[in-house]
Amino acid sequence: NAGVTQTPKFRILKIGQSMTLQCAQDMNHNYMYWYRQDPGMGLKLIYYSVGAGITDKGEVPNGYNVSRSTTEDFPLRLELAAPSQTSVYFCASSYFGQGGNSPLHFGNGTRLTVT
Amino acid sequence: QQQVKQSPQSLIVQKGGISIINCAYENTAFDYFPWYQQFPGKGPALLIAIRPDVSEKKEGRFTISFNKSAKQFSLHIMDSQPGDSATYFCAASPSGSRLTFGEGTQLTVNP
Repeated sequence: NAGVTQTPKFRILKIGQSMTLQCAQDMNHNYMYWYRQDPGMGLKLIYYSVGAGITDKGEVPNGYNVSRSTTEDFPLRLELAAPSQTSVYFCASSYFGQGGNSPLHFGNGTRLTVT
Repeated sequence: QQQVKQSPQSLIVQKGGISIINCAYENTAFDYFPWYQQFPGKGPALLIAIRPDVSEKKEGRFTISFNKSAKQFSLHIMDSQPGDSATYFCAASPSGSRLTFGEGTQLTVNP
């Protein structure tokens, strides 16, 4: 049982390049999330999805896009990379919403550097 | 209103000591307060959680203390071990809604 799998683990982008961060979960969770983690800033929600075909913005969505065509996969797209997007990105999933008896299960992150 | 303030930013404790991390919130609608533990190179994982109908919850060496009137909650790690060295995040959410995370505390337990 792999849980939440993120690829790649590391990536260096030049300003203006595009890339897709991949996330897959095998727990049949309805809810999936993308967070970014910056030092001293905690975890900020970028986008989330409550099921296949349904996505919504979080706290910091600008510069990102997502899609959810299947229950298992939730890719995050960066269209025009900027230095401000240098961060560690975490994908997470949960069976129900975030409150109550439905803990978040996180992947091991993608460390992205934009230069 | 949605903020959760966490302190300290970093903490160094000797093996066997008590580690204490504090969080404060403003939104009185928050009713779920989890703590997540993150080891280097890994994603966070749920450690322990509490609801405001109790003032304390204990799981092994880890205890959450909750003060509803002060809108504060804290994590206590008794008999701290080097293996507890990690980053700890508090979080809070209104029922069924999204979590707001604190800024994180990097705990180092010296042998």
